[in-house]
Formats: sequence, C-alpha cells, structure tokens
Amino acid sequence: GNSVTQMEGPVTLSEEAFLTINCTYTATGYPSLFWYVQYPGEGLQLLLKATKADDKGSNKGFEATYRKETTSFHLEKGSVQVSDSAVYFCALGSLQGAQKLVFGQGTRLTINP
Amino acid sequence: NAGVTQTPKFRVLKTGQSMTLLCAQDMNHEYMYWYRQDPGMGLRLIHYSVGEGTTAKGEVPDGYNVSRLKKQNFLLGLESAAPSQTSVYFCASTEGYGYTFGSGTRLTVV
Repeated sequence: GNSVTQMEGPVTLSEEAFLTINCTYTATGYPSLFWYVQYPGEGLQLLLKATKADDKGSNKGFEATYRKETTSFHLEKGSVQVSDSAVYFCALGSLQGAQKLVFGQGTRLTINP
Repeated sequence: NAGVTQTPKFRVLKTGQSMTLLCAQDMNHEYMYWYRQDPGMGLRLIHYSVGEGTTAKGEVPDGYNVSRLKKQNFLLGLESAAPSQTSVYFCASTEGYGYTFGSGTRLTVV
C-alpha cells in the first residue's frame, strides 16, 4: 500500500539557517503530494502541494519538488524564522475518488533566535 | 470564518464509558474524515465519508463508529472507551485540492 517516510526529528536550527526536511514515498499510480504544518494547539494547515511529477509547490518561502525518479518530496526553505517552529507532515493521496491522505510521522522543527 | 469545528476540545473518560465527538463544516464539502494523531505515528485514518448518508472504514476503525446523517456533520462514536483510544482526534473535510482540518479533540481514557 501507500506509505510516507519523513526524516526523524526533532530538528533544531538557528534563525536564517537553510532548512531541508526529507520525505520519500511509496505509492501505486500517480498520487498528489502535500506538506502540512501544525502549530502548537492547532489543527493541520495545508502548506503546499504538487499534483504531478516535476511540479514545484511553494508557499510562504517554502518549496518542494515532486521527484518521481527518486520518489521524494523534500521540503526546503532558504532562511527560516522563529515563527516557522511547528510540526511538518508530508502526505500523499489522490485528488479523485475518496481523496484519502496517507501521512508521514511528522517532523518537529524548532527555530532558535 | 468557521471552516471545520470540533466539539468538545478536551475530554476525560473512564474505561468503558461512551461518548460522541462532533465535527461540523460550513463549506458544503462532500468528503469528511476522522483521523487520530499519536506521538511518532503521524495521522491515521479511522473512518471517512464521501457524502451524506455514506461511511467507510479507514486504517484503524476498530472500537469506533461514525454517522453522517447531514452533509455538514460527521459524528465519531466510542461505544466502550479503552486506554488505547487516548489520542488527539482530528476531523477534516475537502472538496479537492487539500483538506481543511478542525483544531482537534484531546481525549484521555483512564
């Protein structure tokens, strides 16, 4: 079945550092890929998505490229801020049918001033 | 600016008690979902619905029941709570292109 594997956390960086959170997936067919962010005490929010191979999703300075050849969707940001501290989830699913999503285990990110 | 609303936000149950979690969305979405979030395990799908009057099992359905009598509401029931059901429960809805999540219900079963 479909599955998502994220890099182990927690990740701690200093403000303005470069961020990469790795995500690889196993799937049948051609799923869409997503990154969600969860701030403390809140539900998950969609951060960005890509619906086909080589698509790049971007939002709020974050980027991720759908790489079919390496089955990856790594999240990157050039210069992180304290406000980026949160838990990040990679997910895959279909935009058709029941649209069920499969989530990775989440990566906790802490940015220090 | 409601989106997806979950009630209650917190609950403590004794083993064997029953309860119902309510999810309400005001976006006229067809699809609704219940997930549970446990440390180190991400979110796992309990049950879902593809429209009013429909329900289906997800990855971890045992011990839970659901109903979708109205399009805007999706209820999650625990008939006889167990400590293994201690978790944070999230409801979500979509009409495509990503989910909208509620803020969660933290349930503790003692």
